[in-house]
Amino acid sequence: KAGVTQTPRYLIKTRGQQVTLSCSPISGHRSVSWYQQTPGQGLQFLFEYFSETQRNKGNFPGRFSGRQFSNSRSEMNVSTLELGDSALYLCASSSGQASGNTIYFGEGSWLTVV
Amino acid sequence: QKEVEQDPGPLSVPEGAIVSLNCTYSNSAFQYFMWYRQYSRKGPELLMYTYSSGNKEDGSFTAQVDKSSKYISLFIRDSQPSDSATYLCAMSPDTGRRALTFGSGTRLQVQP
Repeated sequence: KAGVTQTPRYLIKTRGQQVTLSCSPISGHRSVSWYQQTPGQGLQFLFEYFSETQRNKGNFPGRFSGRQFSNSRSEMNVSTLELGDSALYLCASSSGQASGNTIYFGEGSWLTVV
Repeated sequence: QKEVEQDPGPLSVPEGAIVSLNCTYSNSAFQYFMWYRQYSRKGPELLMYTYSSGNKEDGSFTAQVDKSSKYISLFIRDSQPSDSATYLCAMSPDTGRRALTFGSGTRLQVQP
């Protein structure tokens, strides 16, 4: 069974640009969450999508957005990049059921903003 | 004060030692507890999850939850150099929300 797949793995962007990251969840999983990991703040929740609807959102500015497609694949977008957006962006997949389900992470997308 | 506190380490132990990793939390709504292992430049790998107080064992790992003290632990028996990684605790309310709150992670080094 394939795991959570994230693309691209590494990318470098210039301040002010925008970036789109992609995530394919484990087959059959309908919930996709996104997290940002930095040395200073650790792992922080961005948002979660379930059946194409945003179900939960963390405390990040509106420059961070996402969407989910009917096949459960998800994308997140960061507009007007700032140097502080340099981070590992992690996608997590789960069945999305109310309780007792486990959450699996992808390898992440390393974003460097210069 | 952070909702989840975890000693960042590094924690250095000899091969074969029993390792104890701990987290404390302040939010009594947390009901669902997980431990992840993260190697350098990799995504977190789920090791253990538990929903209730008490112990849960899986291979060389034992997860312990004490909700009355708001304290969780992960024990690693017979630690190996391959266990050298950062260990993250994570937790959430069991309400269907998928927002995990993570500890800062403990860096473990197992010396051969």
